[in-house]
Amino acid sequence: QITLKESGPTLVKPTQTLTLTCTFSGFSLSTNGLGVGWIRQPPGKALEWLGLIYWNDDKRYRPSLKSRLTIIKDTSKNQVVLTMTNMDPVDTATYYCAHHPDTITTFDHWGQGTLVTVSS
Amino acid sequence: DIQMTQSPSTLSASVGDRVTITCRASQTIGSWLAWYQQKPGKAPKLLIYKASDLESGVPSRFSGSGSGTEFTLTISSLQPDDFATYYCQQYNSYYSFGQGTKLEIK
Repeated sequence: QITLKESGPTLVKPTQTLTLTCTFSGFSLSTNGLGVGWIRQPPGKALEWLGLIYWNDDKRYRPSLKSRLTIIKDTSKNQVVLTMTNMDPVDTATYYCAHHPDTITTFDHWGQGTLVTVSS
Repeated sequence: DIQMTQSPSTLSASVGDRVTITCRASQTIGSWLAWYQQKPGKAPKLLIYKASDLESGVPSRFSGSGSGTEFTLTISSLQPDDFATYYCQQYNSYYSFGQGTKLEIK
């Protein structure tokens, strides 16, 4: 059974750096073809893809946010970490991590999400 | 960026109705399209991938079609559990989502 869960601060101040951790079970990110992605959703708005890390440490980032994002993995801990610098109130959103198998090449299992509010 | 546009934004329907949601891509994406269902306060749930492949465990009343730039999600006979917001997503070039279609009870 594949599960994912996001954790991190619920409130960050403008200009601060956000660090979120996705802890997963039911798969290993050392398995050929697998990936874990990050997607966010501002309150009442649509979903927005942020980035993706693959089993081989290859990474993809949303071009408009690439300068602010870093995704790393810790295979031994079954964790993926998202870092977003220079947070702004417009970054207030629910942040999701999701499983990305090579069999379908999109996101099939999602975490429950964590709401991050950016406010002074 | 590939823009995804869904229509309608809101759809009112009754239990038992057949409903169709349309998704258009700003450029051709082949069949690299997924549909998700999202309920308030919950994560999206994958329904359809590769435009028409039904995800395991998803009821057969859900179906998807299309290729290129125009796609549809059809629910053949609405059930009470189907009232939710639906998103299309392209994965031909990075990933982008439509703005969502809220399916409401009439």
